[in-house]
Order: sequence, then C-alpha cells, then structure tokens
Amino acid sequence: EDQVTQSPEALRLQEGESSSLNCSYTVSGLRGLFWYRQDPGKGPEFLFTLYSAGEEKEKERLKATLTKKESFLHITAPKPEDSATYLCAVQEPERLVFGKGTKLTVNP
Amino acid sequence: GAGVSQSPSNKVTEKGKDVELRCDPISGHTALYWYRQSLGQGLEFLIYFQGNSAPDKSGLPSDRFSAERTGGSVSTLTIQRTQQEDSAVYLCASSLTIGFSNYEQYFGPGTRLTVT
Repeated sequence: EDQVTQSPEALRLQEGESSSLNCSYTVSGLRGLFWYRQDPGKGPEFLFTLYSAGEEKEKERLKATLTKKESFLHITAPKPEDSATYLCAVQEPERLVFGKGTKLTVNP
Repeated sequence: GAGVSQSPSNKVTEKGKDVELRCDPISGHTALYWYRQSLGQGLEFLIYFQGNSAPDKSGLPSDRFSAERTGGSVSTLTIQRTQQEDSAVYLCASSLTIGFSNYEQYFGPGTRLTVT
C-alpha cells in the first residue's frame, strides 16, 4: 500500500522567515500528489496537484515541487495567516492516501 | 459557486444509538468520498461513490457503517450502534470524476461526531 510521511510534525516560524515542509512517499507509480491546507474546525482546502518529477506550482507565498521520492512545500516570507496544518496526499485509483500533516505556526 | 456541504456540523450521541451524516456534493461532481479524521491521526478513507455505485466497501471500519448515494447527488453515511471509538470528524469530498486529470477532491467542512 502507498505510504506518505510528512515532516516536521510541527513548525514554528517568525513572520518573514522562509522554510520548507517535506512529504516523502512510496508508491508503485505516482498518479498524482496533492497538497491541502486545513484550518482548525474546517475541511481541507485544495492547494496544488503535481503529476511528474520536476514539476513546480506556485500560489502566492507557496511553491510546491516534486521529485521521484518526495515533494516540498516552500513557504516564502510567511505571514501569520499562513498558520494552518498542511496535508500531503498521493492518489490511488479511487482514493487519496494522506500523511498526518505538518502544523505550521507563524508568529507576528 | 457552492462548495460541498455537510450536516449536521456537530453531533453528540449516546453509545448504542444510530446516527446519519449527510453530504451534498458540488453540483456536477460524479465522484463522492467519505473520510474520517481522528485526533492526532491522518485522514482515513472510508468509501467512494461513482454515481450511485460504491464498488468497494472494504474501507468501512465495521459492518455498523453503511453509506448510500441517491440521484447521483446527496450521500448519507450511517453508523449503527455507535461506539466511543467512532468519535471523529467525518469529512465528505467530491470530484469531477475518478482517475483522470480532473481529480482534485474538494472537501466539505465535516461533521464532528462525539459518542458519549
């Protein structure tokens, strides 16, 4: 079965302090890798889909990259409103397999 | 446009009672999914529907769990004889289809179930 591991479990940053979140995966043929953001008490919000190694996607202060073994979510000059849990998932034919997430806190 | 909606948002029930959770997907989305998120755990897949059909029910935790979808739209997840370990947030998602490029799953806000 596909597996997804995210690190670190929690990350505290100061406003403006750039960093990266990691998602490593083991799959037998990647169909798609997904990043979601989840705020407390809410459902996950879709951010990005990556399909092949070398692919990159950006949205505001976030950039997702993909290699054959892992994906990174780079956060540039974060703001307090970027505080959330970031979830990574890989696509199996009929479901997403999620990691446990990285809880990001950005202090002003 | 309207996103995925779920009701109720919170449900407190006594052990042994039955509960029904409802999901209304994004209009036009043929695929619908149920997940469960327990404290400190990742999202656990339960079941998916393509149209009204659920080809694989093996993700349901026990035979107390069942789900149906009617009219290719609304779905209900039913838990019979609830147990304390059923306490979790139940999330519903929908996507345009399954297995192709338009696969992004969009999630509802979830139903927080507490079994006392």
